[in-house]
Amino acid sequence: DTGVSQDPRHKITKRGQNVTFRCDPISEHNRLYWYRQTLGQGPEFLTYFQNEAQLEKSRLLSDRFSAERPKGSFSTLEIQRTEQGDSAMYLCASSPTSGGTDTQYFGPGTRLTVL
Amino acid sequence: QKEVEQDPGPLSVPEGAIVSLNCTYSNSAFQYFMWYRQYSRKGPELLMYTYSSGNKEDGRFTAQVDKSSKYISLFIRDSQPSDSATYLCAMKRGNFNKFYFGSGTKLNVKP
Repeated sequence: DTGVSQDPRHKITKRGQNVTFRCDPISEHNRLYWYRQTLGQGPEFLTYFQNEAQLEKSRLLSDRFSAERPKGSFSTLEIQRTEQGDSAMYLCASSPTSGGTDTQYFGPGTRLTVL
Repeated sequence: QKEVEQDPGPLSVPEGAIVSLNCTYSNSAFQYFMWYRQYSRKGPELLMYTYSSGNKEDGRFTAQVDKSSKYISLFIRDSQPSDSATYLCAMKRGNFNKFYFGSGTKLNVKP
């Protein structure tokens, strides 16, 4: 068990560019979550998958944001036409379906800087 | 008004002190309550979770939930410099998987 991994760890991009982040959850974890965290704030929920199904999306997730989890394994979060306000830490977490659905395990995050 | 409120600190204490961290919330439907520790530039790490009201102890950590007051606490006994981090409370409703986090309290334990 290597934990939740995220790639890249850091991303610097220019305004208007598209970016894609990847999350590999703990194997056999059915649930996967994406959060956004800005400096001095707690994580804000973005979206949630159970296996490959995206079951909930926050209103924070504008139409420039899209997330996928093909085959219920890894997940990607894409941001199109990035804006400076998108600069944040993007966190991924996974949890098992049984044994405590509240035990989310977080990855190290991808820090996005939009210039 | 945010659904979960948490004093951002920073809170500075001497090594060995008892630390009390708190959150208040507005949604009476919250049933599951969690505390996470986050070191700088790392992802949050789950410390404690409790269901409904009551106390839960794990080593030097005690989590307390008072649903009637919509107030949760985390106590750290015999605090250590390695406890210096940001502590986040989180909560959710019973059958929903959207988690609501506080803004975090930064704790500094001085040797």
